[in-house]
Amino acid sequence: DAGITQSPRHKVTETGTPVTLRCHQTENHRYMYWYRQDPGHGLRLIHYSYGVKDTDKGEVSDGYSVSRSKTEDFLLTLESATSSQTSVYFCAISGDSFSTNEKLFFGSGTQLSVL
Amino acid sequence: DQQVKQNSPSLSVQEGRISILNCDYTNSMFDYFLWYKKYPAEGPTFLISISSIKDKNEDGRFTVFLNKSAKHLSLHIVPSQPGDSAVYFCAGFYNFNKFYFGSGTKLNVKP
Repeated sequence: DAGITQSPRHKVTETGTPVTLRCHQTENHRYMYWYRQDPGHGLRLIHYSYGVKDTDKGEVSDGYSVSRSKTEDFLLTLESATSSQTSVYFCAISGDSFSTNEKLFFGSGTQLSVL
Repeated sequence: DQQVKQNSPSLSVQEGRISILNCDYTNSMFDYFLWYKKYPAEGPTFLISISSIKDKNEDGRFTVFLNKSAKHLSLHIVPSQPGDSAVYFCAGFYNFNKFYFGSGTKLNVKP
């Protein structure tokens, strides 16, 4: 299994508060992603990173920001959480080499509830 | 605009029979297609993939078929087992780091 750790695994917060989710990898993979999973929508890309300090927006990036100061860590921040951001958040990684590039490896997820 | 669509939210089959999960896509640039399996409270795990230059890929009980002219792919599971009960996501991939997922199909295999 790919070495991906997400923290926290569960979080309950109130509307308007800032929240940061962390993803840590031990695979030294170049690409890191944040997805959210919602019923009827599947997995939707929030932001991704293609290197240290190199990030770009995904399909549903509004209300989210990311940072990657080290290869192994990718942070997702909700500056002011809203109830619509209640979801399960997955971090994923993919590599550069031909054998791994086309595969995405997922963490175990973070269940976030915004009340 | 969804580039990958799974129009069946759920599927129920009897143990030992074939499960067929379907997926449609709109983006002709996809290089690879992948299927992921997800159990509750776990992250999705890779199941099988197929290159856009092939029309079939097989791995044990799992076979993926690709029909490029119809922009359609399907996952066949034969024989289906209760442990296959999960949510299955299909995804298209291109340009080294672009993965697009469907909304998933929940498969229930009845003993």
